[in-house]
Amino acid sequence: NAGVTQTPKFQVLKTGQSMTLQCAQDMNHEYMSWYRQDPGMGLRLIHYSVGAGITDQGEVPNGYNVSRSTTEDFPLRLLSAAPSQTSVYFCASSYGTNSPLHFGNGTRLTVT
Amino acid sequence: AQSVTQLDSHVSVSEGTPVLLRCNYSSSYSPSLFWYVQHPNKGLQLLLKYTSAATLVKGINGFEAEFKKSETSFHLTKPSAHMSDAAEYFCVVITIQGAQKLVFGQGTRLTINP
Repeated sequence: NAGVTQTPKFQVLKTGQSMTLQCAQDMNHEYMSWYRQDPGMGLRLIHYSVGAGITDQGEVPNGYNVSRSTTEDFPLRLLSAAPSQTSVYFCASSYGTNSPLHFGNGTRLTVT
Repeated sequence: AQSVTQLDSHVSVSEGTPVLLRCNYSSSYSPSLFWYVQHPNKGLQLLLKYTSAATLVKGINGFEAEFKKSETSFHLTKPSAHMSDAAEYFCVVITIQGAQKLVFGQGTRLTINP
């Protein structure tokens, strides 16, 4: 059972470039979400999804797009990368509203 | 709005001594609370959760936490620290919107001295 899989593990982008962070889960979880982790700030919610075809914004959505075409996948897109988006990104999934999150191992993104 | 405050950004203890990581929460209703642990360069792993059942919650690796509504606290404890406990710990509350809109504390880095 792979759980939550994130790719890539590391990425360096130049300002203005675009990329997609991939996230897949094999637990048939309805809920999926993206967080960014910055020093001293804990984790902040970027976008989340309560099921295929349904997404909503979290605390810090600007500069990021998501889509949820299948239950398994929840990619995060950066359309025009900025240095402020340098961070560690975590994807997570859960079974239900009050169920614990299962996290991926993270993607470390650097924007120069 | 819900919020979480971890009172210490860094805690250092000796191996074999007790661990106390403090967390206060703010919520207008009875919250669901979690503690997560993050080892270096890893994702977050659930330690324990409180969802309005028993107020003393036991988790993995010998950790436990007590929900105290009167003090709005959810402190994490362990009787005897082990070197492998060195990590970052996050206290987390589920918001009233549910749907996994969690609010994370800023984190407490636990260092274990030999």
